[in-house]
Amino acid sequence: DAGVIQSPRHEVTEMGQEVTLRCKPISGHNSLFWYRQTMMRGLELLIYFNNNVPIDDSGMPEDRFSAKMPNASFSTLKIQPSEPRDSAVYFCASSPQGGLYGYTFGSGTRLTVV
Amino acid sequence: EDQVTQSPEALRLQEGESSSLNCSYTVSGLRGLFWYRQDPGKGPEFLFTLYSAGEEKEKERLKATLTKKESFLHITAPKPEDSATYLCAVQTIGNTPLVFGKGTRLSVIA
Repeated sequence: DAGVIQSPRHEVTEMGQEVTLRCKPISGHNSLFWYRQTMMRGLELLIYFNNNVPIDDSGMPEDRFSAKMPNASFSTLKIQPSEPRDSAVYFCASSPQGGLYGYTFGSGTRLTVV
Repeated sequence: EDQVTQSPEALRLQEGESSSLNCSYTVSGLRGLFWYRQDPGKGPEFLFTLYSAGEEKEKERLKATLTKKESFLHITAPKPEDSATYLCAVQTIGNTPLVFGKGTRLSVIA
């Protein structure tokens, strides 16, 4: 199994541009999570899905952030328009439903907004 | 609100110098406490899950323990390859998503 796959690994964009981050979860995992990591705040949950349905998006900081999961093997996190304070590492993780045995994380996307 | 606090923020050890990392938590009802290791430029990697007070789990030089208010990650005779950030997370009853602490950055010097 290739694990959770995220793309791109690094993204540098100008303020105001649209950014799309992508995630392919592990096959058979029906829960998917988007986290953001910064030095100041650590790992923060943005949104999570069960069986492709968004369950809780209360961690999404603003309306500029949106996430979709059109099928069991793909999810996107979009920021439009991007701002410098969005600079962080964004992680996608997946688990069997309930996450009893922990989550498997991807390698992350390091986003820099200049 | 569920809270997880890890201490110290950073720890520097000589190779072979054993120590412990602390994770204290405040939750409404604990379902599981998780330890992860994170190397620079990588995602967190799962180490252990603990479910009830008194439980212990071991993996190589690492041993995790759990009480009703905190968890410890004991590192025995660490090696430089144990250098990483160690993250603690909690899951509450109801299968809520993991809530993470900010981590402890461990450096082991040869």
